[in-house]
Amino acid sequence: KAGVTQTPRYLIKTRGQQVTLSCSPISGHRSVSWYQQTPGQGLQFLFEYFSETQRNKGNFPGRFSGRQFSNSRSEMNVSTLELGDSALYLCASSLVEANYGYTFGSGTRLTVV
Amino acid sequence: AQSVSQHNHHVILSEAASLELGCNYSYGGTVNLFWYVQYPGQHLQLLLKYFSGDPLVKGIKGFEAEFIKSKFSFNLRKPSVQWSDTAEYFCAVTRGYSSASKIIFGSGTRLSIRP
Repeated sequence: KAGVTQTPRYLIKTRGQQVTLSCSPISGHRSVSWYQQTPGQGLQFLFEYFSETQRNKGNFPGRFSGRQFSNSRSEMNVSTLELGDSALYLCASSLVEANYGYTFGSGTRLTVV
Repeated sequence: AQSVSQHNHHVILSEAASLELGCNYSYGGTVNLFWYVQYPGQHLQLLLKYFSGDPLVKGIKGFEAEFIKSKFSFNLRKPSVQWSDTAEYFCAVTRGYSSASKIIFGSGTRLSIRP
């Protein structure tokens, strides 16, 4: 079965712009989580969606938002980009709950200049 | 709040050496524990996981981990490392028996193997 697909793989944006990242989970997986990975901070939890509802949220500012569609695909949006938003954004999916572990996508590398 | 500590930021070993990466978590209740690996240029992959039962868990590629509840630890071990084990390793925890639980990751340990 296909893995978790994230698009695009790479993005370069300018400060102040906004960006939308996309994630298609493994077929049948209904939970999608987003993480920000940076060398200094490791993997920081952004949010989790299940059945189009946000079930869990990390400690990120409101500029970071997401949504999930009826087919479980998810998008993450970052508005008013800052230099510090440069990171690898990872999407992970699981069948129902995070307890059973995730399958990760390859990530979207966002560079803000 | 849950947290995960990985004591070693960077570990350098020679091939055939034994490996032990430390992981401690802070949460007093039932937990599920994971080790993930990220090979250079690749996505995070699950190495092994512990839910319940035998505290010694076997994973892929010869890795194993031991859950010691009294020490809140879940250390990763491999008796003899190979150059191909060069990667970053992440310990992670989530509350057990609880739905909608997020996974908390440690900061990672970079493992470099000298050929």
